[in-house]
Amino acid sequence: DAMVIQNPRYQVTQFGKPVTLSCSQTLNHNVMYWYQQKSSQAPKLLFHYYDKDFNNEADTPDNFQSRRPNTSFCFLDIRSPGLGDAAMYLCATSRDFKWTDTQYFGPGTRLTVL
Amino acid sequence: KQEVTQIPAALSVPEGENLVLNCSFTDSAIYNLQWFRQDPGKGLTSLLLIQSSQREQTSGRLNASLDKSSGRSTLYIAASQPGDSATYLCAAPEYGNKLVFGAGTILRVKS
Repeated sequence: DAMVIQNPRYQVTQFGKPVTLSCSQTLNHNVMYWYQQKSSQAPKLLFHYYDKDFNNEADTPDNFQSRRPNTSFCFLDIRSPGLGDAAMYLCATSRDFKWTDTQYFGPGTRLTVL
Repeated sequence: KQEVTQIPAALSVPEGENLVLNCSFTDSAIYNLQWFRQDPGKGLTSLLLIQSSQREQTSGRLNASLDKSSGRSTLYIAASQPGDSATYLCAAPEYGNKLVFGAGTILRVKS
């Protein structure tokens, strides 16, 4: 039944050690999103893919990259995690990028940076 | 640039009470507004989506209203239950389907 799956649910990494978070979907949606949510803060959009087209938000640090090898999977790569990157990372999907399209969220990956 | 604010930041009520959560947004040229629920350590669940042509949307004990002219939305929860305890977030679009979220209201319903 799970529609948007994120792995792992909890990830611990060391300062500066690259880490990859995974998201997969069974909805066959065109759009996949990555949000960062720090403790007690609002989720903030990092970037989204429309099919294979990558759309980066202007204020997303260069330290964050993403890959979408196929419709079902999308990865978030953090090249050199800093202490400030500790957060919940949420993946979401939607059929299209229109305002009428509901976004479906995964359970999130909580990243700890030591 | 859309900005979304939610008040109060936290709310604690006894079981059975009716309550109202508030959301304000700066850019009133929106097509819709969404309310989400987030349980501790979990992802987001969409509760209600109100389109700009509507003034209210209802789902069970939840009722959301939207007033574009004043830049406000409210989420009304009737007869609150301990299972309603969660963080409630509202989100307004900035462009396309990009959502800008408020920081949320942490609700605790005491039994």
